[in-house]
Order: sequence, then C-alpha cells, then structure tokens
Amino acid sequence: QSALTQPRSVSGFPGQSVTISCTGTSSDVGTHNWVSWYQQHPGKAPTLMIYDVNKRPSGVPDRFSGSKSGNTASLTISGLQTEDEADYYCCSYAGSYGWVFGGGTQLTVL
Amino acid sequence: QLKQSGPGLLKPSETLSLTCAISGDSVSNYNAGWNWIRQSPSRGLEFLGRTYYRSKWYNEYALSVESRITINPDTSKNQVSLQLKSVTPEDTAVYYCARDLGFHDFWGQGTLVTVSS
Repeated sequence: QSALTQPRSVSGFPGQSVTISCTGTSSDVGTHNWVSWYQQHPGKAPTLMIYDVNKRPSGVPDRFSGSKSGNTASLTISGLQTEDEADYYCCSYAGSYGWVFGGGTQLTVL
Repeated sequence: QLKQSGPGLLKPSETLSLTCAISGDSVSNYNAGWNWIRQSPSRGLEFLGRTYYRSKWYNEYALSVESRITINPDTSKNQVSLQLKSVTPEDTAVYYCARDLGFHDFWGQGTLVTVSS
C-alpha cells in the first residue's frame, strides 16, 4: 500500500496549461475508476476538484480535467490563473485497505 | 458538515482520541464511508481508515496503523470516532475526518495533534 507517485512540483505561466501525473499500480489506479483529485491551499482542508477519473463537481471550472491510462492518472489545468497556485493530491481506491493518496504536487503560477 | 473535537497535545505512549460529529447526513448512509485522514509535512495526506454501513458495519484500515487503530460509528450521536494507541512523535499531524461517496467531498476542519514529551 505505497503512496501514489506525483511530481513534487510543476509550474506554468498564466494562460498556459499544466498536467500533473499520478502513477499507481494495477491494485489501485489501474483497477479502480475511483480516482479523484484535490486542491489544497495553505492552512485549509483539501477541496475536491475531480472525481471518478474525469468528473467535475459543480462549481469547479471546466479548466480542470482528468484522465487515466493504465496505472497513471492525470490532472490537466488549462488557462492557468493565479488562484490555481496550490498543492494538488490524487487519490485512488486500493481495495480492502481503503484509499491511497499521492505525495502531492506544488503548482506554482509564474 | 463535519465538526471535529479532541485534544491536541499528547505524550508518547498515550492514546489519541478524536470525534467527528456529522450534520446534514447520517453515519448509516448506505452510500457513504466515514474516513480519518492525516497530514504531515513528511508524509503528505495519509489515509488511516474508514467505517461504512452496508447492511452491517465494515472497517478498512491502512496497513501502516492497522495494529493500533480503531474507528467506531456512534449511531445515537451521529458521529464517528478515532482511537490510535501508543502514539509516538511520528504521529504528529493534522487529522481530518472526511465523508466519501467514492470520493472525499466533505472534510472536517482538521485537528493538529502534537505528540511530545
């Protein structure tokens, strides 16, 4: 039950697109479509941005999108805005041991 | 809404006890799981365990804490509790309760728990 692998940091200029990867195994990301992404600003609880691989909760801008191929899920943020600067975490169901999170990616808007 | 309560300072070897009071939903919701998740600078977000009701109560615990953790629902108070035994400084973290419907859509406010002698 190891943490999912995310890049430690990514960056982009306003208006650009960035993609954050999340690599797991055939026991979690590769098997389950319960893959979700969370945004977290300093001192706050995480906020759901994407669920079921590619669905957006109401209120989340359509600039945020998700996908999955094999054991790797991805979060793409297009048209970067300064308020997107935050930490992002992926999460996948891992069977009888529950959920597993990624190590987190710090997004910097340059 | 999820409202957490419990002490924030413990000594090594003590038992961590936190409660998560649920409003606007039922701990017995057939579609929900009630999770405890912690976050520290060194370990990021870490799932600890969850309880859920599907005709009977089930628990799922992370391997890393399986021998020390208990999560219990309390239907009379509509809340869920976390107990983590024999804490060490490594257990210092912000602890969150969260509801899952296959994704974690509601989170508690977080409780900073510090383990120090």
